[in-house]
Amino acid sequence: QKEVEQDPGPLSVPEGAIVSLNCTYSNSAFQYFMWYRQYSRKGPELLMYTYSSGNKEDGRFTAQVDKSSKYISLFIRDSQPSDSATYLCAMGDSGGSNYKLTFGKGTLLTVNP
Amino acid sequence: DAGVIQSPRHEVTEMGQEVTLRCKPISGHDYLFWYRQTMMRGLELLIYFNNNVPIDDSGMPEDRFSAKMPNASFSTLKIQPSEPRDSAVYFCASRQGAGYTFGSGTRLTVV
Repeated sequence: QKEVEQDPGPLSVPEGAIVSLNCTYSNSAFQYFMWYRQYSRKGPELLMYTYSSGNKEDGRFTAQVDKSSKYISLFIRDSQPSDSATYLCAMGDSGGSNYKLTFGKGTLLTVNP
Repeated sequence: DAGVIQSPRHEVTEMGQEVTLRCKPISGHDYLFWYRQTMMRGLELLIYFNNNVPIDDSGMPEDRFSAKMPNASFSTLKIQPSEPRDSAVYFCASRQGAGYTFGSGTRLTVV
């Protein structure tokens, strides 16, 4: 079993839809949970960051972490064509300051106007 | 800040040639990471540095790969000799705190 599993999609939705993206993981030591957005031919950029369990909201984006189920989600409300990108989940353990992130393979999202 | 700067953006080389990828991290960031991205395997960590010192190179696939960080503002990833299976996008990232900042990547094609 891979440490981080993410459905690669592709996922295609109409503009204005609510999008749900998910990752599961196996390493119970993970404490840092992030979502990155990667546009075509660009590097990933940090979108959301959560430490430990709970929810975090930033505008149209909500990140949820359920450590008991080893499951994280990213919700996008009122999706826009500009949200079309690959979304990667990333996780890190708390091994001091020398932690490193493990990434999911990414989910390709297309929002159709 | 100009962000993490990588060069070249694209590299096409013949099998057996030496390839050198370059990275300038964000000033003040004390960690630097080299990743490789392919469709099949996603983002794979190759090696990372803390304060210019290599911390973990367990992701470097073979002895053909080597990385250096001679100072806080420059790092290189070298492949010698290159092989077609090395074709991928190579990303450099730096961090201070939790989140990474990635460069735009180098798209390497080995023919």
